[in-house]
Parts: sequence; structure tokens; C-alpha cells
Amino acid sequence: QVQLVESGGGVVQPGRSLRLSCAASGFTFSGYGMHWVRQAPGKGLEWVAVISHDGTNTYYADSVKGRFTISRDNSMETLSLQMESLRVEDTALYYCARAVGLTFYFDSWGQGTLVTVSS
Amino acid sequence: QSVLTQPPSASGTPGQRVTISCSGSDSNIGTNSVNWFQQFPGTAPKLLVYSHDHRPSGVPDRFSGSKSGTSASLAISGLQSEDEADYYCASWDDSLNGWVFGGGTKVTVL
Repeated sequence: QVQLVESGGGVVQPGRSLRLSCAASGFTFSGYGMHWVRQAPGKGLEWVAVISHDGTNTYYADSVKGRFTISRDNSMETLSLQMESLRVEDTALYYCARAVGLTFYFDSWGQGTLVTVSS
Repeated sequence: QSVLTQPPSASGTPGQRVTISCSGSDSNIGTNSVNWFQQFPGTAPKLLVYSHDHRPSGVPDRFSGSKSGTSASLAISGLQSEDEADYYCASWDDSLNGWVFGGGTKVTVL
């Protein structure tokens, strides 16, 4: 079955960087696009970024554009999110999710990794 | 302020039908697939409906989706206590070149 396991979260000061990872298993990773979606404590879902199955296409939410970079390693079946210049408002639980087409739907989610940006 | 607009709450008694609305625009719901997710406290969201009105395998047929113009709806028929959760709509937005979510609707079973 599809399994997505996020890691890399933690507490970081404003302005610093952090790299999240998502290990995929149970499906042909290279055949699917992948998303990052976040949820601030007590708030709703906010889409962050998506990458195509081969990494050639990426899209970002305006709130993270220029600061976050989504990437993937199909040989390692791993999705990454490099986060730079972190802000307090980036504090959230970050989920990775499998994409069915880049614009159709996401059908499987991980359990999330918590990022806390605080001085 | 979310691009897609949902009511913050909805409620019903067991067995009732509850409907959640999701209002968007031509660039998102009007043109693209609408998806609905269910989320219980402390757990990851789960896909409930995709492409307006399709259910993944395992989702009870009590859940149904529909779309009309720039709005979509999720209906829960025969409401059960285990349906208490947060529900989110989502769609790709051609103007933003990204996905947009509704603010979420908390369903309470009275």
C-alpha cells in the first residue's frame, strides 16, 4: 500500500533554513507528481508546492515562492522541500501527498512533520 | 481569507442529510476538478471525493459531490456520529497556477 513518511521537522529560528524529506514506498514513485501541503496549528490546509513525476515542472504558492524549493530523487524515492528564510508564519505541520496529475487530485497523504519557527 | 469559500460549520442529527458548499470562481472550480477531503483531529486528511463527484474505493456512498458553475457541494446522507470531522474543498486555480483550499467546515453530529 502507499506509504509516505515525512521527516526533518523541528524548531528553527526566523531567517534560518530547514530541509524536509518524504520517503515514499508501495507505489512507482517516478510515475506520480508530489505535493507539499501545510497546516498551521488550529488552522486549515494550505497548499505549498507541487512537482511533476520527472521533476521538470514545479509550482509554488505565492507565500513561499522564492524561499522554498521542491525537488525529488526518483532513484531514492524521496521528495524534498528546502525551506530558506523561514518566518514565524511558516510554523505548521507539513504533509507530503501523492498527486494524480498535477491539477486533478491528491490521493494519499503522509502523517506530517512539524516545523516550528520561533526565536 | 481562503480563495474557496466554505461555511465554518454545519450540523445535523443522526440520519439527516448535511450539505457543505464551496464557492469559487471561473479560474478554479469553474474550470477545474473539485476535490473534498475529510480530516479528523490529529490525523492526516483523507480524499473523500475527486473530480467533482467520484469517490475513491472504500468511501461510503453516503458521501456525494456535485458541481454547478463556480460552486461545488459535498452532501453527507444518513449522517453518522463518526462523520464528525473537518471537511475541505480544493481545486487547481489557473490564474494563480496553484492549488487553492477552502477554509474548512467543521461538521457536528448533534
